[in-house]
Amino acid sequence: VQLQESGPRTVKPSETLSLTCTVSGGSMTDYYWTWIRQAPGKGLEWIGHFHFSRGTKYSPSLKSRVVILVDMSKSQFSLRLSSVTAADTAVYYCARSYDSSTYWSFDPWGQGTLATVSS
Amino acid sequence: QSALTQPASVSGSPGQSITISCTGTSSDVGTYNYVSWYQQYPGKAPKVMIYDVSNRPSGVSNRFSGSKSGNTASLTISGLQAEDEADYYCSSYTSDTSPRVVFGGGTKVTVL
Repeated sequence: VQLQESGPRTVKPSETLSLTCTVSGGSMTDYYWTWIRQAPGKGLEWIGHFHFSRGTKYSPSLKSRVVILVDMSKSQFSLRLSSVTAADTAVYYCARSYDSSTYWSFDPWGQGTLATVSS
Repeated sequence: QSALTQPASVSGSPGQSITISCTGTSSDVGTYNYVSWYQQYPGKAPKVMIYDVSNRPSGVSNRFSGSKSGNTASLTISGLQAEDEADYYCSSYTSDTSPRVVFGGGTKVTVL
């Protein structure tokens, strides 16, 4: 399985960040599909995940601004983060759960895409 | 501030063993055996080295091992090699306020 992020690299403050992860080489009906971000020079932050039969779960700190959508026909899942500020500038990674039944380990990962919030 | 606490840096000479700690609480590390460790090179995506405290994915060197005692998990790298120089992050499932995944702040490993 391989994952690849795509989307605009620059977003204006107060607008919505939209990223897409394309999955190749495997089915999306099993496993958890996750978004994780890393601000420049900082650590990793779990954003949330989607599971085909178990639904979505989001980080409490981002829950009011984030939505994860899935298009199974295109083998893609997307991240929508609204009302962005400079604090949302980060490398955004998509990842699959390492195990199909648990969501707290991740492998493989996409290469990551830097999204910058700037006017 | 990260939910899990890691030392900012650890160093060692080639061939030595080093240990990185990851301290959480009874809501995460202390209760659940759901700790993972990731290795990250600059500009690259993380790679899982250990999952569920002490399990090693296929293909990961047996020089990497994980353990846990109380609220602290540990990653040990034995026979340190130059290629081990990287950032290492721990993560855990947590049931604090809302079930989710939390990460440590990361540890820079330097091979002297």
